[in-house]
Amino acid sequence: DVQMTQSPSYLAASPGESVSISCKASKSISNNLAWYQEKPGKANKLLIHSGSTLQSGTPSRFSGSGSGTDFTLTIRSLEFEDFAVYYCQQYNEYPYTFGAGTKLELK
Amino acid sequence: EVQLVESGGGLVQPGRSLKLSCAASGFTFSNYGMHWIRQAPTKGLEWVASISPSGGSTYYRDSVKGRFTISRDNAKSTLYLQMDSLRSEDTATYYCANTFGYSGVFDYWGQGVMVTVSS
Repeated sequence: DVQMTQSPSYLAASPGESVSISCKASKSISNNLAWYQEKPGKANKLLIHSGSTLQSGTPSRFSGSGSGTDFTLTIRSLEFEDFAVYYCQQYNEYPYTFGAGTKLELK
Repeated sequence: EVQLVESGGGLVQPGRSLKLSCAASGFTFSNYGMHWIRQAPTKGLEWVASISPSGGSTYYRDSVKGRFTISRDNAKSTLYLQMDSLRSEDTATYYCANTFGYSGVFDYWGQGVMVTVSS
């Protein structure tokens, strides 16, 4: 199975700041990587697919980069609604696998 | 508005069966691949199974292969997960999700249904 290593596990930041979350795959997954946002009481939301393509409705302050094994989710000018848990996921091969998640907390 | 609503969860004894349903609305169900994903308490997300738009192709993670069956009824816009020979390690919240066409990107998710396997 492709192991997805996400870091950091926790991240504290303030509104207006920029943050980055790393996701590393144990083997090349081309650009077959998605990012999701999890918030309490809400359905998980697809933010980015194909490594860097914003899903319709995702604010432009979110961006994704990378290919092969190293990927990054960047959120610029954090807003209060961005404090959540973020997961990366590879869909290059079965079984699809997720990173362990990054909890973005309010500093 | 896309809606995915899971049902059928609950408490079940090890070795018994349970069938989950996912009622879909707000999109053309027969054009979308569908998936089940689960999350055990305090654990991360784990893909469980996928089915193609027509239902002709299915895929499972190894730990559920031979015990779980994913299926769909396009006329009813409903996805199913038949879970047999349940084990304690199957305890989790189960989510259904859709994909336009058939890829591994989970476009929309339901809010999940809890399954607890315990004696």
